[in-house]
Amino acid sequence: EPEVTQTPSHQVTQMGQEVILRCVPISNHLYFYWYRQILGQKVEFLVSFYNNEISEKSEIFDDQFSVERPDGSNFTLKIRSTKLEDSAMYFCASSELGDRVTREQYFGPGTRLTVT
Amino acid sequence: AQKITQTQPGMFVQEKEAVTLDCTYDTSDPSYGLFWYKQPSSGEMIFLIYQGSYDQQNATEGRYSLNFQKARKSANLVISASQLGDSAMYFCAMREGPGGRRALTFGSGTRLQVQP
Repeated sequence: EPEVTQTPSHQVTQMGQEVILRCVPISNHLYFYWYRQILGQKVEFLVSFYNNEISEKSEIFDDQFSVERPDGSNFTLKIRSTKLEDSAMYFCASSELGDRVTREQYFGPGTRLTVT
Repeated sequence: AQKITQTQPGMFVQEKEAVTLDCTYDTSDPSYGLFWYKQPSSGEMIFLIYQGSYDQQNATEGRYSLNFQKARKSANLVISASQLGDSAMYFCAMREGPGGRRALTFGSGTRLQVQP
């Protein structure tokens, strides 16, 4: 069964460093998302991406964050200068394009980011 | 105001019994979708069930069913015949607006523990 993959599974970085989290969405999906989950808290939406541009973003997604689809398969989230409060599990998700409202979002296994 | 409210931080259930996890939502959009995801201790987000705002019947997927009460704005998840493997965090989520591309808003989750 096709699945969303994410690398790395765990990233440790020092405050102020740049990190890039990588995702490979399901191949025929056209909508892509990043969410984050601070330990013990709920999942929060960061950004959605469609047709090579940001479709929607939350207040969390400030100038420190950027997303890119550098090729036909990868979808990346970059944090320019990490802060301690960026420590969280980051989930990538994707969904199909279509009229069916159901369109569930398929989540990847997540990347645990630890900022020290 | 919270868009998704899950009032049960933790629930216990005996193996083979049924359990109901509560979820209430708040939206003024007539078109929306409600989702339940399971998050085991390994961290991944597993899609369980979907209910559309215009669906006439309650959704069912195997042992999962959704008790959708539109007037009360509630979308409770019912798990029948609980199994030890059902022990996990369960998140209710909503997508507002027509179509399938909008982001999901999650509740704070309910931790379910199934006891032998």
